Amino acid sequence: EADIYQTPRYLVIGTGKKITLECSQTMGHDKMYWYQQDPGMELHLIHYSYGVNSTEKGDLSSESTVSRIRTEHFPLTLESARPSHTSQYLCASSQHRASGANVLTFGAGSRLTVL
Amino acid sequence: QKEVEQNSGPLSVPEGAIASLNCTYSDRGSQSFFWYRQYSGKSPELIMFIYSNGDKEDGRFTAQLNKASQYVSLLIRDSQPSDSATYLCAVTGGGNKLTFGTGTQLKVEL
Repeated sequence: EADIYQTPRYLVIGTGKKITLECSQTMGHDKMYWYQQDPGMELHLIHYSYGVNSTEKGDLSSESTVSRIRTEHFPLTLESARPSHTSQYLCASSQHRASGANVLTFGAGSRLTVL
Repeated sequence: QKEVEQNSGPLSVPEGAIASLNCTYSDRGSQSFFWYRQYSGKSPELIMFIYSNGDKEDGRFTAQLNKASQYVSLLIRDSQPSDSATYLCAVTGGGNKLTFGTGTQLKVEL
């Protein structure tokens, strides 16, 4: 059972509103990630963090921002939501296995709809 | 050329058959290779990973890696309707960056 939690699971909000998607993990993982995925489409990395006070932008340009003040918490914020932000947002965390493989565990996702 | 390529499918196989899912990657320096399963509307879950050439078996699943051909595959034996999902190939390259393919949709028919 995955120990990574995302809230809210579903959010419908109007244009211009500020939203924060929460992500917490209890596994003590240093690395955390945010992916964006539209229905039937591939996963796109939008943000990642390798530890406290470390955040980087991913491959897909995003108007969202993230913070990593605590190891277990990696929230994503949109200051002014637009319909183009409508998507599924997946949070993940990872640890290196003894083999060196970096294995990701995903949260259940937050489905955002901006009207 | 995409970094990780998969046929989007759908791949249809009868129940009890072997499903073969394929993935090619462009970065010769890639080190670890992952197969995730994603049911519709759900998040991806790890099936298995492989990092050495050859085969790795876990229950009904076998991952096969050929670094010379830059090719990784997933075989599912005795396919069940519950195996119907999208299978994502992911590859770790330089800097430990994980790149996902677009996924192959598998349909196991009764």
